[in-house]
Amino acid sequence: AQKITQTQPGMFVQEKEAVTLDCTYDTSDPSYGLFWYKQPSSGEMIFLIYQGSYDQQNATEGRYSLNFQKARKSANLVISASQLGDSAMYFCAMNGGSTLGRLYFGRGTQLTVWP
Amino acid sequence: DAGVIQSPRHEVTEMGQEVTLRCKPISGHDYLFWYRQTMMRGLELLIYFNNNVPIDDSGMPEDRFSAKMPNASFSTLKIQPSEPRDSAVYFCASSLEVDHLTNTEAFFGQGTRLTVV
Repeated sequence: AQKITQTQPGMFVQEKEAVTLDCTYDTSDPSYGLFWYKQPSSGEMIFLIYQGSYDQQNATEGRYSLNFQKARKSANLVISASQLGDSAMYFCAMNGGSTLGRLYFGRGTQLTVWP
Repeated sequence: DAGVIQSPRHEVTEMGQEVTLRCKPISGHDYLFWYRQTMMRGLELLIYFNNNVPIDDSGMPEDRFSAKMPNASFSTLKIQPSEPRDSAVYFCASSLEVDHLTNTEAFFGQGTRLTVV
């Protein structure tokens, strides 16, 4: 089975600085996908970025990038030039193997951006 | 597209009552998921459907929970009878056909906040 671990319950960053949110995963499947979602205080789940296990390049989406280190089984999210609106809960998730359709979520990291 | 639509947004009910949560997935999506989010357990998958057929319901906590998908544009999650420990935010999500090599992120609805008193 897939397992996602987010070891940082909370992170703080000053506006305009970069921040890295950690995510490690465990799977025995060679094919899997890694996802990051943002959940602001309003509660909705917003998809941010995706990395496939066979992708050679790290995924990037605007200010978001995914630092994918396959050998270490880590998929850290890097947010550059933090904005106040980035304050939210961030979830790392994965799918793969025989259970392609389901996402396994980590417990999340609460990011607070201060002025 | 309006995205995944869930109703109601908030539900407060008394213990023992039946609760029905509703979801309309994004048109054309093949997969539909029901998740539950609590402080204690985080986000956990309850059940998911592929082309209206339940594929994995191992996350359904007990027989009090049931889910149906009578057609491609509608699903329900029912709790009968409800208990205080069922209080949580319930999310519905949908996605396209899942493939190893392509990005098939799940799109989430706004969630239903259920409170059982």
